[in-house]
Amino acid sequence: GAGVSQSPSNKVTEKGKDVELRCDPISGHTALYWYRQRLGQGLEFLIYFQGNSAPDKSGLPSDRFSAERTGESVSTLTIQRTQQEDSAVYLCASSLDGGGTDTQYFGPGTRLTVL
Amino acid sequence: AQSVSQHNHHVILSEAASLELGCNYSYGGTVNLFWYVQYPGQHLQLLLKYFSGDPLVKGIKGFEAEFIKSKFSFNLRKPSVQWSDTAEYFCAVNAPRSYIPTFGRGTSLIVHP
Repeated sequence: GAGVSQSPSNKVTEKGKDVELRCDPISGHTALYWYRQRLGQGLEFLIYFQGNSAPDKSGLPSDRFSAERTGESVSTLTIQRTQQEDSAVYLCASSLDGGGTDTQYFGPGTRLTVL
Repeated sequence: AQSVSQHNHHVILSEAASLELGCNYSYGGTVNLFWYVQYPGQHLQLLLKYFSGDPLVKGIKGFEAEFIKSKFSFNLRKPSVQWSDTAEYFCAVNAPRSYIPTFGRGTSLIVHP
């Protein structure tokens, strides 16, 4: 079956522009996570969606970052007024029900470069 | 706050050598533990996980990890590595009733044929 997909795979933008990143989770997975991975660093949690519950936005680094998810399907991560420090790989993962023992299935990531 | 430490950032081995990658966490109480792997050009994928039972966990491709509660460790091992094990390895820790794992920085493993 299809895995987690993300688009675009690469995005180059100018400082100050807005960008939108997309994630398509595995069908039937109720939980969805966004992470940021800077060069040489681990995965930094950004936001978590679980079913119809309010998302956990505790990892969003600033109010320039926001994310939405339509039901249990597609999610978009939006970064407004991009800064050079936003350059990173943005990873999306989904899991069956978001439990603490759940396996996360990752997408290929979107590499964002802010010039 | 939880933190996860992977002390080996870069490891270079020859084929058939034994591997041990360290993972330590700073969290009291019962935790759920994961190792993920990212092969070149591929997605991050689960290697193995532990949440209860036998503290020696076996995963895919001959990997295993041992949970030592007293040492707050979950080290990854493989007795004989292959060139195809070249990858980035990430340790992750979840506390029960926490759905947000904390990831370590990762260890880059290069295996020379």
